[in-house]
Amino acid sequence: NAGVTQTPKFQVLKTGQSMTLQCAQDMNHEYMSWYRQDPGMGLRLIHYSVGAGITDQGEVPNGYNVSRSTTEDFPLRLLSAAPSQTSVYFCASSYWGGVSTGELFFGEGSRLTVL
Amino acid sequence: QQQVKQSPQSLIVQKGGISIINCAYENTAFDYFPWYQQFPGKGPALLIAIRPDVSEKKEGRFTISFNKSAKQFSLHIMDSQPGDSATYFCAAARETSGSRLTFGEGTQLTVNP
Repeated sequence: NAGVTQTPKFQVLKTGQSMTLQCAQDMNHEYMSWYRQDPGMGLRLIHYSVGAGITDQGEVPNGYNVSRSTTEDFPLRLLSAAPSQTSVYFCASSYWGGVSTGELFFGEGSRLTVL
Repeated sequence: QQQVKQSPQSLIVQKGGISIINCAYENTAFDYFPWYQQFPGKGPALLIAIRPDVSEKKEGRFTISFNKSAKQFSLHIMDSQPGDSATYFCAAARETSGSRLTFGEGTQLTVNP
């Protein structure tokens, strides 16, 4: 089973460039989300989706866009990259229906550096 | 503001010792408290979780202790092994928010052989 697949694993951008981090899951999970991980700050929620066509903002949404056209895919777009967006990004998915079924399954991460 | 505070930031334990990581939360509406384990280069994975209707949950060498009145919970790793060396995150959520977890800052655990 592939689980949650993220691409690319590594990316270097220049300030002002745009790019898309891809996330796909093959577990038929309704819920998908993006987190960023920074030293000493844990994992912070950027955006999440509870199904195709439904997205919402998390704790740190500024500078990022998402869309959910299919159950399987949840891409994260950086509109105009800034050095403050240098981070490790994780996509996670789960069944939707309450925390009793809310175990998050994470991808292996995408390490982004903005120069 | 950080709604879930975790300590210590790093922890070094000898093989066979007990590792203890603490978390405190502010939002009394939280009613689901999982711990995630992350190895270098990998994504976090669920280790163990507790709901506030119990004060302790044990799975093998891993135990969560929960103190609702103090709004604190902790992870105890008994007989710590070098293979337990990883980053541990506590988290909290409200049942009505489903899988939308708020994470603590993380603890980097090193177990020396």
